[in-house]
Amino acid sequence: GQSLEQPSEVTAVEGAIVQINCTYQTSGFYGLSWYQQHDGGAPTFLSYNALDGLEETGRFSSFLSRSDSYGYLLLQELQMKDSASYFCAVPGAGGFKTIFGAGTRLFVKA
Amino acid sequence: AAGVIQSPRHLIKEKRETATLKCYPIPRHDTVYWYQQGPGQDPQFLISFYEKMQSDKGSIPDRFSAQQFSDYHSELNMSSLELGDSALYFCASSLRAGGRNSPLHFGNGTRLTVT
Repeated sequence: GQSLEQPSEVTAVEGAIVQINCTYQTSGFYGLSWYQQHDGGAPTFLSYNALDGLEETGRFSSFLSRSDSYGYLLLQELQMKDSASYFCAVPGAGGFKTIFGAGTRLFVKA
Repeated sequence: AAGVIQSPRHLIKEKRETATLKCYPIPRHDTVYWYQQGPGQDPQFLISFYEKMQSDKGSIPDRFSAQQFSDYHSELNMSSLELGDSALYFCASSLRAGGRNSPLHFGNGTRLTVT
């Protein structure tokens, strides 16, 4: 099966950089994705890593180390609007479902 | 760009009643997923359809059923509702050709309240 672990909460100040970690255990590995969800809103896809290394998309970057079964989401130049929950996710066996971690709630303070 | 459309946005039902949630995926997306999300929890996978056939099944109660129709829209039918079924229900769609990690595009969800 698949399991993912990520911190439940992270707090940072506006303009700072924050890293949200995710460790996973999977029976097969097909990549690690990240989603953002604001309160009451829908999850929104942020990024995906299939290979080791850093993928950058604007202020957001995602990193993967397959040997360590570990990845992280890096948010730079934090803004108040970045306050949200962030989920790491992996495809389930068979590829017709996505399994989400429990989510990390990010609080951005002024 | 067209997004995933879900209806209704809010639904209030009493215990033991039935509910039907509808989902219209993004045009040309061939895979539809249903998720249930309780307060402060991660989305829990219920069921998925690929090209109108059930492709995977998660922790979906036997009281729930779903199908995908010829026009690719999907419906989640929930019977004998219980208080614990109160949650946000999301539908998502993706394009299988993009691979296992094709991004899921979520609708705005249906908030079901069972009283």
